[in-house]
Amino acid sequence: NAGVTQTPKFQVLKTGQSMTLQCAQDMNHNSMYWYRQDPGMGLRLIYYSASEGTTDKGEVPNGYNVSRLNKREFSLRLESAAPSQTSVYFCASSKMAEGAHPSTEAFFGQGTRLTVV
Amino acid sequence: DAKTTQPTSMDCAEGRAANLPCNHSTISGNEYVYWYRQIHSQGPQYIIHGLKNNETNEMASLIITEDRKSSTLILPHATLRDTAVYYCIVRVRISGGYNKLIFGAGTRLAVHP
Repeated sequence: NAGVTQTPKFQVLKTGQSMTLQCAQDMNHNSMYWYRQDPGMGLRLIYYSASEGTTDKGEVPNGYNVSRLNKREFSLRLESAAPSQTSVYFCASSKMAEGAHPSTEAFFGQGTRLTVV
Repeated sequence: DAKTTQPTSMDCAEGRAANLPCNHSTISGNEYVYWYRQIHSQGPQYIIHGLKNNETNEMASLIITEDRKSSTLILPHATLRDTAVYYCIVRVRISGGYNKLIFGAGTRLAVHP
């Protein structure tokens, strides 16, 4: 059981280049999330997908696009990378809430370390 | 989402209990308190969550005050491997069944020999 898998683990981009960060989960979770973490700071939500076919903006969506390809996969795209997007990116997934209870815990991938020069 | 306030850093001796406080004075009735930790630069790891009753699992205990304005995460016998950043998060259920986790800066816990 791999959990949440992110690829690549490391990437260096030049300013203006584009790339897609891939995320896949094998836990049959409905909801998936993309976060970024800058040095010494907590995680900030970029985009999330409550369920297959839906996506919504989080706290810091500018400069990013997402695609919920299917239930398992949620990708994050940088169309024109900027040095301000140098960060560690985490993907997460969780079950959808049932009844009166919130969804259970979110599971995180190991991160993608992106440097834009 | 309700905001949380945590100390920036704490120290604890190995083998002793680590008590990590969190203030969430604007919490509302349907909001849960969640705790996660992040060891070094790994992905965050779920620890525990609760609504109003105290909770315990194999990792930790969560004590929530009666007015729910604050909580304390307790690691009963801290080890060196518990050195991490601990995040207290208030999480609201959004209609449609999903939640958003909004992280603050967390508490950096250092466990020393």
